[in-house]
Amino acid sequence: AQSVTQLGSHVSVSEGALVLLRCNYSSSVPPYLFWYVQYPNQGLQLLLKYTSAATLVKGINGFEAEFKKSETSFHLTKPSAHMSDAAEYFCAVTLLADFGNEKLTFGTGTRLTIIP
Amino acid sequence: GAVVSQHPSRVICKSGTSVKIECRSLDFQATTMFWYRQFPKQSLMLMATSNEGSKATYEQGVEKDKFLINHASLTLSTLTVTSAHPEDSSFYICSSKRRNYNEQFFGPGTRLTVL
Repeated sequence: AQSVTQLGSHVSVSEGALVLLRCNYSSSVPPYLFWYVQYPNQGLQLLLKYTSAATLVKGINGFEAEFKKSETSFHLTKPSAHMSDAAEYFCAVTLLADFGNEKLTFGTGTRLTIIP
Repeated sequence: GAVVSQHPSRVICKSGTSVKIECRSLDFQATTMFWYRQFPKQSLMLMATSNEGSKATYEQGVEKDKFLINHASLTLSTLTVTSAHPEDSSFYICSSKRRNYNEQFFGPGTRLTVL
């Protein structure tokens, strides 16, 4: 079974500062990993995904994440925070071994607050 | 491309009534659809997985007679909350997946409030 752990339910950074949201995964087979963003009362939007290709993945809105197998981590970063980045961020994992009904397992989420 | 819609976006109903939520993939054929439930300030919890033309597979602890899922076509899945009660109030989100693609596309969600 797979799982993800997001360290820090709330993260606050100043506008223009580095954003770092942490995600560690647990999986018995090579995983697919995702980061999603959710704005209030909206669905989820995919930021980026790791699917066993390049370990450094670039996504939308200037976000990127690095897959580190040795650390079982997939932390999300952005060099310079913008006020519009304030939202809830979810890390998710699924198994790439099965192209059938693979299920996404979500972390508990991290609320990002940007301080003006 | 890969747009998923949900209808309605918000619904308020009285306790004991049934509510139907639609999930549509607008520009692709969804071989698999997923239904999630999200309580305030919590993560998404998978309720069930449905494939077109077959019965839904429910996660442990989800009452299939309470949450009826129908996936009648490759573009439409419906979730019916039967005899709704206040504890069913939640944000329900669907997602759709194409065959051989490893990404789910999420709908905007439906907020259900049961009075």
